[in-house]
Amino acid sequence: SSELTQDPAVSVALGQTVRITCQGDSLRVYYASWYQQKPGQAPVLVIYDKNNRPSGIPDRFSGSSSGSTASLTITGAQAEDEADYYCNSRDSSGNLWVFGGGTKLTVL
Amino acid sequence: QVQLVESGGGVVQPGTSLRLSCAASGFTFSSYAFHWVRQAPGKGLEWVAVISFDGSNRYCADSVKGRCTISRDNSKDTLYLQMSSLRPDDTAVYYCARDVGRGGGDVLTGFIYWGQGTLVTVST
Repeated sequence: SSELTQDPAVSVALGQTVRITCQGDSLRVYYASWYQQKPGQAPVLVIYDKNNRPSGIPDRFSGSSSGSTASLTITGAQAEDEADYYCNSRDSSGNLWVFGGGTKLTVL
Repeated sequence: QVQLVESGGGVVQPGTSLRLSCAASGFTFSSYAFHWVRQAPGKGLEWVAVISFDGSNRYCADSVKGRCTISRDNSKDTLYLQMSSLRPDDTAVYYCARDVGRGGGDVLTGFIYWGQGTLVTVST
């Protein structure tokens, strides 16, 4: 299996842009998906595949990838975006999935 | 609307087994892959297992390999997770999640729908 590495915590001023990154060898082959989780709630998918947003996810959320790093960008962060964010992808075998350790986003 | 409802959690003793269920509704169950994901108290998400749309491909994470069996009954729109030889570090909220894809060789993936989770506590 392989690992996905995220920064434990990131902060952003209200209305500014923030990028949350995820590093792992498998990201050279597979796209990452991104999940938002607020306390006491189930995770919510915000980005999947190359840069797809499920219905209901604001367009301020976007995804990108370069080499072994995937990124989730929030353009114009809102107070309600404060949450834990997790990346996920298949591992190098393609048969298993793996989550990153999560990034706690604080909106100042 | 789409619903995933897990059941089967509770307090169990170390070394015992448990079967979790996830009842689905609101979509064509047999068209999608499913996953189990767990979250220990205060910790991050951990992927546990996947099963493809037709059950032909199924895998468990290395951390539970040999103790984990994922299965599905497409006639009952229900997903299952059987865990054996349970240990205290298996204590977690267990979520079922539907994929956007079919699993197996389908490269499209994303856990688009989640249940509310069921808590499994392994303790004496």
